Amino acid sequence: QKEVEQDPGPLSVPEGAIVSLNCTYSNSAFQYFMWYRQYSRKGPELLMYTYSSGNKEDGRFTAQVDKSSKYISLFIRDSQPSDSATYLCAMSARRETSGSRLTFGEGTQLTVNP
Amino acid sequence: KAGVTQTPRYLIKTRGQQVTLSCSPISGHRSVSWYQQTPGQGLQFLFEYFSETQRNKGNFPGRFSGRQFSNSRSEMNVSTLELGDSALYLCASSPDNSGNTIYFGEGSWLTVV
Repeated sequence: QKEVEQDPGPLSVPEGAIVSLNCTYSNSAFQYFMWYRQYSRKGPELLMYTYSSGNKEDGRFTAQVDKSSKYISLFIRDSQPSDSATYLCAMSARRETSGSRLTFGEGTQLTVNP
Repeated sequence: KAGVTQTPRYLIKTRGQQVTLSCSPISGHRSVSWYQQTPGQGLQFLFEYFSETQRNKGNFPGRFSGRQFSNSRSEMNVSTLELGDSALYLCASSPDNSGNTIYFGEGSWLTVV
């Protein structure tokens, strides 16, 4: 079983829709949670970074972490065609033990149609 | 502020050869990590360097190695290349190892023929 599970999609939505992307994890040691966006043939771009359970908002993006359920989400409001990309969740444990080592989900391919 | 810079961006090598990839982290960042990305396995951690010391190593064979210089720049080397080493190799940097954000470069696309 993978430590981080993410539905690879593909996910196709109309412009303006609210997009919900999710990951589950099994390692209780994970404490830091990130969402990256990756365009084709580009490197991952950091979108959101959270440490504790709860919500964090940045513009059209909201990251949600529920440590008790080992479940994280990314919501995109008013989705745009430029949001079409692969979205990767990533997580890491305490830095004292794992440094900056990230464990990634498989990535969800999102297409926003005009 | 310049981002993470990786060179070369694209390269083609023959089986059995070796390759060296270079990474310049964001100015002031002291932690550099390397990842391999393939369609089948996704993003997998190779190793991390902090202050010229390897802090963490992923589950890759000894053919994969790396080092970090005093200016935080890093290189990774793959010897005796195999077809399965064809991948996007990504370098990431962070200010230190205290839980800060991690930023990726554009990657080096390696094709082994």
